[in-house]
Amino acid sequence: KNQVEQSPQSLIILEGKNCTLQCNYTVSPFSNLRWYKQDTGRGPVSLTIMTFSENTKSNGRYTATLDADTKQSSLHITASQLSDSASYICVVSEYNSGGGADGLTFGKGTHLIIQP
Amino acid sequence: DTAVSQTPKYLVTQMGNDKSIKCEQNLGHDTMYWYKQDSKKFLKIMFSYNNKELIINETVPNRFSPKSPDKAHLNLHINSLELGDSAVYFCASSQILGENTIYFGEGSWLTVV
Repeated sequence: KNQVEQSPQSLIILEGKNCTLQCNYTVSPFSNLRWYKQDTGRGPVSLTIMTFSENTKSNGRYTATLDADTKQSSLHITASQLSDSASYICVVSEYNSGGGADGLTFGKGTHLIIQP
Repeated sequence: DTAVSQTPKYLVTQMGNDKSIKCEQNLGHDTMYWYKQDSKKFLKIMFSYNNKELIINETVPNRFSPKSPDKAHLNLHINSLELGDSAVYFCASSQILGENTIYFGEGSWLTVV
């Protein structure tokens, strides 16, 4: 059964500090991995999409890494800001699934709180 | 301009009622989805709709039914609402099925009392 596990479940850090969120998956065959940011009371917004051949991808202060061999991804946030407080969701897509209802496996998210 | 918009944002209703949530996307995407996010913030796919093909998550009760009048709209109808249906429902869309960035709406908070 395809699974996506995220850690930690919750994280509190001080403004300006860096942090790293983890995502481990068992989805196979793998197509791509996405990180979403979900602000409280809002819908998820895509941060990055990484395919099998990509090891690192950056989006501003967000840097995602992917190790397809160990089936692990991380999202590193540099110089955190109060606006980074949100849930971060890892989503893994199964290759040639036809997409749709069973093509994506969602993690439960990491709830990040940035304190001033 | 809002890419994926859904209404209402908040809905409180009694058990047994029938309700609908509307969704529209102006991105020209071919595929639309409905997701449910429970109290533990876990997002779960309910339906995807692409070129008149409906793919249903088998765990979704048949009280839930999507209706697509055209490519830009995918409404969610819920019959005989139950307490356990209380959740946030997100509409979403993507250019093609499954492989591209999925754009989410702002969510509809449904509370069944």
